[in-house]
Amino acid sequence: GAVVSQHPSRVICKSGTSVKIECRSLDFQATTMFWYRQFPKQSLMLMATSNEGSKATYEQGVEKDKFLINHASLTLSTLTVTSAHPEDSSFYICSAGVAGANVLTFGAGSRLTVL
Amino acid sequence: DAKTTQPTSMDCAEGRAANLPCNHSTISGNEYVYWYRQIHSQGPQYIIHGLKNNETNEMASLIITEDRKSSTLILPHATLRDTAVYYCIVRVPYNAGNMLTFGGGTRLMVKP
Repeated sequence: GAVVSQHPSRVICKSGTSVKIECRSLDFQATTMFWYRQFPKQSLMLMATSNEGSKATYEQGVEKDKFLINHASLTLSTLTVTSAHPEDSSFYICSAGVAGANVLTFGAGSRLTVL
Repeated sequence: DAKTTQPTSMDCAEGRAANLPCNHSTISGNEYVYWYRQIHSQGPQYIIHGLKNNETNEMASLIITEDRKSSTLILPHATLRDTAVYYCIVRVPYNAGNMLTFGGGTRLMVKP
């Protein structure tokens, strides 16, 4: 079945630094990938839709200059958290779907801790 | 996407069937019922989906009422590894560009 891989699974960084999270579709091509964020004891919230070869679409309240998304190929989307602060500490999850397959596949998630 | 209502939490004894209900009274004719689950600190995992007929796969069964206003996910023999948050989502079938919107889900605790 379709597999989505995320890297790193855990990352700890200092406040003010930038962190890049990769999301790869391993056995299929994904023209669209989705980035979610999940705070403790809360549900997943969509941050942005990543479109291959074009700009990402951000949900209301998500700063596009802070959360940079690049979808340079049909199998890779990256999320860069720029100038991270402790409030950005969260669980970031990407997902992608095979067109016509009716389901979305999710990565295992990346836990970001900003000190 | 149609709104869904699920109980916040449920307990189930290990080895027994876990029946997780979901109400979706505003479901449209072309919307499917999807179930995903999220085990602690992992990404969501697809379980099953259906339109109006009951569905079964290796993980679970999905029972949809005739009026389609509610459904039940059944884990026939729950194990401790089934402890997770279960999300019922009602929406049109996925195609490129359509995301999933998650509600609060049901936190299922399987106890020995």
